[in-house]
Amino acid sequence: DTEVIQTPKHLVMGMTNKKSLKCEQHMGHRAMYWYKQKAKKPPELMFVYSYEKLSINESVPSRFSPECPNSSLLNLHLHALQPEDSALYLCASSQASRALNEAFFGQGTRLTVV
Amino acid sequence: AQSVTQPDIHITVSEGASLELRCNYSYGATPYLFWYVQSPGQGLQLLLKYFSGDTLVQGIKGFEAEFKRSQSSFNLRKPSVHWSDAAEYFCAVYGQNFVFGPGTRLSVLP
Repeated sequence: DTEVIQTPKHLVMGMTNKKSLKCEQHMGHRAMYWYKQKAKKPPELMFVYSYEKLSINESVPSRFSPECPNSSLLNLHLHALQPEDSALYLCASSQASRALNEAFFGQGTRLTVV
Repeated sequence: AQSVTQPDIHITVSEGASLELRCNYSYGATPYLFWYVQSPGQGLQLLLKYFSGDTLVQGIKGFEAEFKRSQSSFNLRKPSVHWSDAAEYFCAVYGQNFVFGPGTRLSVLP
């Protein structure tokens, strides 16, 4: 199984809502990533978890809160978002953040903040 | 710090024609290089990767790429493009994490 599963595929939320994005992989990967991708732009790294510990936070606003409950799951909790946060949110995993390996990407969650 | 440039924002080719997408990188150590493809609204799919060894690497869907250290380049090629190849192509370098180039959008004319 070489799949990264992201749910939901689409999400519309108001600026006062609290929602969560979920990501799951069963490849035994110990590094997991959240990327944000705006239209016609490359993915931008938000967070990296390595062995279930947050190793990189690319100065992401606190309205985005990542969580790694175990080695297979990665969540992104959303609260008080702004319309400019609307984007495709991609989850990825790799064997380890410094290993000779590629990142496997999920299909993404298309988030719209209204 | 690592960085990736893709000089061509948009390329249009005719179906059956050959293709080359350019990628240049900057990284202080031996780079790990990748090409990903993304169809509209979809995630990224790995086409090929270079870690070491043979500088010409073969990937899926008939793509290949050549690593040229002297030019800091990792250009993607395909001898004959199919209409289904129309997509966004991202070159990426892995140092401390994956950093993507700005992307090249490929359009294919029938």
